[in-house]
Amino acid sequence: QVHLVQSGAEVKRPGSSVRVSCKSSGGSLNTYAINWVRQAPGQGLEWLGRIIPVLDIRNYAQKFQGRVSITADTSTSSAYMELSRLRSDDTAIYFCAAHGGYNSAPFDYWGHGTLVTVSS
Amino acid sequence: DIVMTQSPATLSVSPGERATLSCRANQHIRSNLAWYQQKPGQAPRLLIYGASTRATGIPARFSGSGSGTEFTLTITSLQSEDFAIYYCQQYNDWPTFGQGTRLEIE
Repeated sequence: QVHLVQSGAEVKRPGSSVRVSCKSSGGSLNTYAINWVRQAPGQGLEWLGRIIPVLDIRNYAQKFQGRVSITADTSTSSAYMELSRLRSDDTAIYFCAAHGGYNSAPFDYWGHGTLVTVSS
Repeated sequence: DIVMTQSPATLSVSPGERATLSCRANQHIRSNLAWYQQKPGQAPRLLIYGASTRATGIPARFSGSGSGTEFTLTITSLQSEDFAIYYCQQYNDWPTFGQGTRLEIE
């Protein structure tokens, strides 16, 4: 069973970058893909991208290409999402979410979310 | 991107009654459709995948149907804990979500 624990809330200035971590406390990520999804205040869900940690294959939503980077460390069962050139409309809760297998699939497991606030 | 459209935006139903939520894709996605429930301050929870298969631990009052472009989530005998926001998600391509349906107590 995968239990995903995310890093704490962040406050960032416009133009800076943020890095959010997601660690599996329930075991290896070797058979999972880790996705990143965000939710702006009072809004819906938006997929940023994903990584297959054991293969180091990364896929990004076109909207975030060039601004998002997703990495993983299989030795610590952790994944990371870095978003650069932050703007005020990047203020959102960022979730990591896992699914088994390597094809696009529904998200069985979710982290608790990390609030990122972008403000000057 | 595949665009998912949910209706209605808000649905008011009394406890014990049935709720029917709709989701439409702007292109065919076979049965690669999931439904999630989200309560305030919580992460979404997977309810249904493959358009009609309940996820582990999901009560039988939740059911999904449809394929292609039209999908439905039905919740019978609504319980107090069912009032939440529901999202559909397609995973036929890189995932996209509907904008959500808020299910509120009438």
